[in-house]
Amino acid sequence: DAKTTQPPSMDCAEGRAANLPCNHSTISGNEYVYWYRQIHSQGPQYIIHGLKNNETNEMASLIITEDRKSSTLILPHATLRDTAVYYCIVKGEGTSGTYKYIFGTGTRLKVLA
Amino acid sequence: ETGVTQSPTHLIKTRGQQVTLRCSSQSGHNTVSWYQQALGQGPQFIFQYYREEENGRGNFPPRFSGLQFPNYSSELNVNALELDDSALYLCASSPNIGTAYHGYTFGSGTRLTVV
Repeated sequence: DAKTTQPPSMDCAEGRAANLPCNHSTISGNEYVYWYRQIHSQGPQYIIHGLKNNETNEMASLIITEDRKSSTLILPHATLRDTAVYYCIVKGEGTSGTYKYIFGTGTRLKVLA
Repeated sequence: ETGVTQSPTHLIKTRGQQVTLRCSSQSGHNTVSWYQQALGQGPQFIFQYYREEENGRGNFPPRFSGLQFPNYSSELNVNALELDDSALYLCASSPNIGTAYHGYTFGSGTRLTVV
C-alpha cells in the first residue's frame, strides 16, 4: 500500500493561502489521492480528491505533480476555522477488493489571526 | 440526506468487559468501514463490511468483530477490553465497494475509555 509523508505542522496567516504538501512516491497508477481534515477529534471531513489532473471545489484546490509522486492542497483564503489536522491519503486496494484508507499522522495546520 | 451517525458518543468500560458500538450509514451507502484512532495518531483501519460480509481486515485481533445489517447499519464489538483499546472509534460509509473513486463519509466517532 502506498504511504504518504506530510510535514507535522504548519502555520498560516488568516486570509492568506495555505499550501499543504504531501509526498506519495510509491503511488500506483489507479490509486487516488484524497484529502481529509479533522477538527477537535471529530470525524474526518472530506475535502477533495484526484487521480492525476488538478482539481478544484468550493473548499480547496488539489495540485498533483505530473509524475504523481506528490501533491499540494491549497486553501486559497485560510480562516481560523480551517485550523485542523489535514490528512493526505492514497486510497489503496487491500484484500478482496477492499479499498481502505491508510492514514499517516497528518499536518497540524494552525491559522493565525 | 443524513450523514453517518454513531452511538454512543462517549463510553467508559472496565478492562475485561465487552463493548458494542453502533453506526448508521449514510443513505444509499452499502459499504462500511471501522477505524480506531488513538490519541495523537491517525485512524487505523480495523475492517470493512459489504453486503453483510467482512471484506478486508487490518492488523487487529479476532476479539474485534463486526456485523452489518440488511439496512446497512453496523456494529463493532470488542471483547476482553484492554487499556490500549481506549481510543476514538470511527465508522465510515461509502456508496460503492468496487472502485477507488468513491470516498468515505465519516461519523463523529465514539470515544471509548477503558479503565
